[in-house]
Amino acid sequence: EVVLTQSPATLSLSPGEGAALSCRASQSVRGLLAWYQQKPGQAPRLVIYDTSNRATGIPARFSGSGSGTEYTLTISSLEPEDFAVYYCQQRSSWPLTFGGGTKVEI
Amino acid sequence: EVQLLESGGGLVQSGGSLRLSCAASGFTFNMFAMNWVRQAPGKGLQWVSTIGTTGENIYYVDSVKGRFTISRDNSKNTQYLQMNSLRDEDTATYYCVRRASNWGAFDIWGQGIKVTVSS
Repeated sequence: EVVLTQSPATLSLSPGEGAALSCRASQSVRGLLAWYQQKPGQAPRLVIYDTSNRATGIPARFSGSGSGTEYTLTISSLEPEDFAVYYCQQRSSWPLTFGGGTKVEI
Repeated sequence: EVQLLESGGGLVQSGGSLRLSCAASGFTFNMFAMNWVRQAPGKGLQWVSTIGTTGENIYYVDSVKGRFTISRDNSKNTQYLQMNSLRDEDTATYYCVRRASNWGAFDIWGQGIKVTVSS
């Protein structure tokens, strides 16, 4: 099973600041990594798929990068609506797994 | 509008059974693999099961193997999750999720439905 470790667990920032969220895999996931945003009481929403592709409707301030076992979600300038929990997820091998999440808070 | 609507959740005693349904609309259901993902209260996301477009390819997380059964009826644009021998640790919000084409990421999520297992 591929274990995904996200860091930090919590990121305390202000609107306008940039954010870098890390996701480390226990083995290579071959770029098949996605990021999801979840706000309280809501279902998750796909943000980035296959390392660096923005999902439909996701603004350009979100970007993804990485390869092998190390991946990063970058938010260039935080907007108030970006404060949420972010999860990474791999589809390289079964079982599909998620990281534990990073909470981006004000 | 692309939409997934779950039903069938609720409170059940430990050892009991429940069947979740997910009605899809707004897209060609038989062209997409479908999934269930759950989230225990205050916890992170856990993939539970995937079913391929024709129902021939099925996968489960180890913790539900032998207890849960995923299925789909393409004529009704609906997928199901039959949950038997329920345990306290199955308590969660269950999300019906579509995978993007070619077994891609989880691109469309339902609003979720709560399952509470009481001992």
